[in-house]
Amino acid sequence: DVKVTQSSRYLVKRTGEKVFLECVQDMDHENMFWYRQDPGLGLRLIYFSYDVKMKEKGDIPEGYSVSREKKERFSLILESASTNQTSMYLCASSSRGPDSYEQYFGPGTRLTVT
Amino acid sequence: LAKTTQPISMDSYEGQEVNITCSHNNIATNDYITWYQQFPSQGPRFIIQGYKTKVTNEVASLFIPADRKSSTLSLPRVSLSDTAVYYCLVPYSGAGSYQLTFGKGTKLSVIP
Repeated sequence: DVKVTQSSRYLVKRTGEKVFLECVQDMDHENMFWYRQDPGLGLRLIYFSYDVKMKEKGDIPEGYSVSREKKERFSLILESASTNQTSMYLCASSSRGPDSYEQYFGPGTRLTVT
Repeated sequence: LAKTTQPISMDSYEGQEVNITCSHNNIATNDYITWYQQFPSQGPRFIIQGYKTKVTNEVASLFIPADRKSSTLSLPRVSLSDTAVYYCLVPYSGAGSYQLTFGKGTKLSVIP
């Protein structure tokens, strides 16, 4: 069974703090993704990575950065958290090739910025 | 600009067939359309993917017309456990960019 784990289910941070969200997958997948999910807006892609040290901007990268130093780990960084970054953050992974459209999601991290 | 449209919500009685349509423009030529199911407090879960015509697996069917500007997820004989939010995921390409865009989701409520 594919497993995607995220470091925290719930997180509360203060405005201006640097925030790290960690994601680990155990299926040797090449592709990894970070989304945020907000009521009425669905899932929006922040960044994705198709290989170690490679990253591509998604639809809403502003205010975020990512790091992928190892194949199994993809980190999302909020350099200076703001209240409008309060959201549910979902990590996903997929293999390359014909099955690349099948993404496996983690349980999500609900981040509150106060 | 990529745009994906789904109905916000649908209601159905148990045992009925449910069809959820996703409309999409500027879809990438050679990529697949995928559908996901999400329960509260969980990440989305893959249901089915397709490129064109019809695809069927053990839980759903996916119909994609020749112009690929829409896709319809069909759930046969729904039960209460199918109450969830359903998302289509569509790849877009154009003007040097590549996007993976989720629809905003359709909340399906199955009524006993």
